[in-house]
Amino acid sequence: DQQVKQNSPSLSVQEGRISILNCDYTNSMFDYFLWYKKYPAEGPTFLISISSIKDKNEDGRFTVFLNKSAKHLSLHIVPSQPGDSAVYFCAASDGNEKLTFGTGTRLTIIP
Amino acid sequence: DAGVTQSPTHLIKTRGQQVTLRCSPKSGHDTVSWYQQALGQGPQFIFQYYEEEERQRGNFPDRFSGHQFPNYSSELNVNALLLGDSALYLCASSVRDTYGYTFGSGTRLTVV
Repeated sequence: DQQVKQNSPSLSVQEGRISILNCDYTNSMFDYFLWYKKYPAEGPTFLISISSIKDKNEDGRFTVFLNKSAKHLSLHIVPSQPGDSAVYFCAASDGNEKLTFGTGTRLTIIP
Repeated sequence: DAGVTQSPTHLIKTRGQQVTLRCSPKSGHDTVSWYQQALGQGPQFIFQYYEEEERQRGNFPDRFSGHQFPNYSSELNVNALLLGDSALYLCASSVRDTYGYTFGSGTRLTVV
């Protein structure tokens, strides 16, 4: 039972444009959401998070949007840079620190 | 300041064998969680240790066990290895009751 879904295995975006990565979840008990970035041969690195009491959180070029009614969140990267090429994981928690991850989206930024 | 250190980096084992993976948490962190990442999948939670006790466990069989030492470092043990145990095993450390996970680079386990 995949409680966190990232339906796009890959995404290619031109450098300088906006990258939008999507994530859907099914467990209504999830109340905290995180995005991680992973390069090959490295562990996931935390990018940005959002609590269920908010619908938007920004950190520099990264913005996460949460739509609780649709059980959907998205990560926007503006502008996209070549160093953003990586696998992005969406993760969710129901308050017990255990994270449930999606399957990831491979983002490729085209110079 | 060293982050999370995992050893070994790579490991090849035969079906039925036992394996021990090690993790040293980031300085200042007291909680260690282990995740299994199979090829093409996201990391899956195995268990979490705090104060040398297993606090939470994911949907993994008893063949998977762990330990946390007084210095907060941790071991993951897997007995009776199956081909399906081949995966990247990630250790993440944090401060209790926070989401500030720091992940290690993982141990790539191959079971043949």
